[in-house]
Amino acid sequence: QKEVEQNSGPLSVPEGAIASLNCTYSDRGSQSFFWYRQYSGKSPELIMSIYSNGDKEDGRFTAQLNKASQYVSLLIRDSQPSDSATYLCAVLNTGGFKTIFGAGTRLFVKA
Amino acid sequence: DVKVTQSSRYLVKRTGEKVFLECVQDMDHENMFWYRQDPGLGLRLIYFSYDVKMKEKGDIPEGYSVSREKKERFSLILESASTNQTSMYLCASTLGQHNEQFFGPGTRLTVL
Repeated sequence: QKEVEQNSGPLSVPEGAIASLNCTYSDRGSQSFFWYRQYSGKSPELIMSIYSNGDKEDGRFTAQLNKASQYVSLLIRDSQPSDSATYLCAVLNTGGFKTIFGAGTRLFVKA
Repeated sequence: DVKVTQSSRYLVKRTGEKVFLECVQDMDHENMFWYRQDPGLGLRLIYFSYDVKMKEKGDIPEGYSVSREKKERFSLILESASTNQTSMYLCASTLGQHNEQFFGPGTRLTVL
């Protein structure tokens, strides 16, 4: 079993729709969770971090965390073509030094 | 703004050559990391360092070494480059208990 699992996609949504990206992780002791956006040919960029159960909102982005289910999600409201990218879910391991990345979900937003 | 820079965006080397990739961060971060990213395999940790002169192996250290002589600089060394080391190499630095990672622009290395 992979430590951080994501659906590779591609996920295709129309402009203006809500994009929902999901991630599960295996380390029950993890306390810090992240979403990175990576455009083609570029390096990952941190867009959201979440540390406690529930929702965290930042503009059009909402991160959701459920530690009991070991599940993290990212919602993108009013999706724009510029949101088209690969989204990486990342989890800081129990030791606190290593961040484990998922393989990423490719998102396409159609104009 | 955190700035992480890498010495080259693109690099072409021949099999057997010694290759140096350099990473510099300007935010006094304690921790620095080297990853490689390959299609379908995601980001894989090669080495990391939590202090000057300290280094820890990541998940795929074979064929690589690192050097951290100054806090702001973390170098990745390929002692004898091989074709299976053709990849995108990403450096990152972090600060704080949550270890939020800030990445450099990456170096796309091709070994012929």
